[in-house]
Amino acid sequence: DARVTQTPRHKVTEMGQEVTMRCQPILGHNTVFWYRQTMMQGLELLAYFRNRAPLDDSGMPKDRFSAEMPDATLATLKIQPSEPRDSAVYFCASGSERGWETQYFGPGTRLLVL
Amino acid sequence: AQSVTQPDIHITVSEGASLELRCNYSYGATPYLFWYVQSPGQGLQLLLKYFSGDTLVQGIKGFEAEFKRSQSSFNLRKPSVHWSDAAEYFCALNAGNNRKLIWGLGTSLAVNP
Repeated sequence: DARVTQTPRHKVTEMGQEVTMRCQPILGHNTVFWYRQTMMQGLELLAYFRNRAPLDDSGMPKDRFSAEMPDATLATLKIQPSEPRDSAVYFCASGSERGWETQYFGPGTRLLVL
Repeated sequence: AQSVTQPDIHITVSEGASLELRCNYSYGATPYLFWYVQSPGQGLQLLLKYFSGDTLVQGIKGFEAEFKRSQSSFNLRKPSVHWSDAAEYFCALNAGNNRKLIWGLGTSLAVNP
């Protein structure tokens, strides 16, 4: 049963600390999306990659957030330094080349910045 | 501008009752339309999608949705709701020019026993 995995599932950290979230897309999927979900804003697209290349990161605060795909099996989202307003659930989703319009979501990383 | 509106923030239905969740979109042509469900503490799961053809599409878990171009709507329906259907439901569209989905804010469904 292929699925997107995300680690960690939960993270509590103090303001100013670096946070790294990891995502393993479904094997063979070449599109990866990072989302942030909050009660106030709903689901926001932060960035997305196709064939490991960033295509759109306009939704991401550039000064503190960065997203990369070191290889086809790993996507990372980093926040440095973290702030309390970054507290949210961060989802990764992946899609295939042929079925690109359908996104498969991971279980999310619940981040709390104190 | 492309947008998705889910007019109902929260809906409560009794178990066994029928359900309709509303979704309206704004886009100049026919978009790709989706319904996703998010169970508590979980990621989102695709329920169904519409690309073209038959305007009534069937999905998983007994859900269906009807695309109505004249009303710019894509409402989700289920004839008889089960307690396990309690979740957050999101409508989304893809305008076809890139791989991004535009999301509604979601409708929270509660099911009374």
